Amino acid sequence: QSVLTQPPSVSAAPGQKVTISCSGSNSNIGNNYVSWYQLLPGTAPKLLIYDNDERSSVIPDRFSGSKSGTSATLDITGLQTGDEADYYCATWDSSLSLVVFGGGTKVTVL
Amino acid sequence: QVQLQESGPGLVKPSETLSLTCTVSGGSVNSNSYYWSWIRQPPGKGLEWIGYIYNSGSTNYNPSLKSRVTMSLDTSKNQLSLKLRSLTAADTAIYYCARVNLLTIFKYWGQGTLVTVSS
Repeated sequence: QSVLTQPPSVSAAPGQKVTISCSGSNSNIGNNYVSWYQLLPGTAPKLLIYDNDERSSVIPDRFSGSKSGTSATLDITGLQTGDEADYYCATWDSSLSLVVFGGGTKVTVL
Repeated sequence: QVQLQESGPGLVKPSETLSLTCTVSGGSVNSNSYYWSWIRQPPGKGLEWIGYIYNSGSTNYNPSLKSRVTMSLDTSKNQLSLKLRSLTAADTAIYYCARVNLLTIFKYWGQGTLVTVSS
C-alpha cells in the first residue's frame, strides 16, 4: 500500500490526453514538492517534472504537472505510442522522514 | 552527460549480504551539489526508496530498511555502493542508483540491475 495513491492504469487514443493523479496528505504532497518519472522496461527511468510543475530538460511540452493541496497531476497531451510506460509520482514525507513514491500508473495508447 | 551504471551479482542466497556498485561518469560523486541514492522495484510492484548518501559520507536511510543497509562512496573510483544484509525473497528487485538534487529530484538514473534472492 503506497503512501501516495495513483490510478493503476489510464488509456487513450493517439493524439488524445491522459491525466494521472497522485493523492497524498499534508505530510507529503501538501507541504513538499512533487516530481514525476517515466519508467520503460530495460531503460533508465526518466525525470519528467520536478518542483510540481517544472519540466525537466529535453522533455517535450506535451508533459505538464500541477499541484493543488494534497494532490498532484501529470497531464500528457498529444498522446504517442512511445508514451506507453509506467509513471510514478514522488515527494518527501515529513512525518515518515523518507522519500515516498506513488504506486505507479500504466499508460496505454489504444 | 552524467551516466550511472549498476553492477553486482544477479543471484544471492537468502540470509546473505547483497553488494552492489554504481559507477558514475560525467560527474563526480564528491560534488557538494548532489545526493546519491538507491531505489528498488520488486517484480510487479512500485518503486521503493532505499536511502541517500552525501559526499560528506552522511547517510539517510528508509526506516524500514535502516537496520540492514549500508551505503558508501569511493571517490577514487567515482562509485557508490550498497550493502543489504540478511536477505529474504522480499528483497528480490531491480535496484537503481540515481543522482539527486534537493532530496526528491532524481535527475539521473542507472538502467537498473535485477537481483534475485533464492537458494
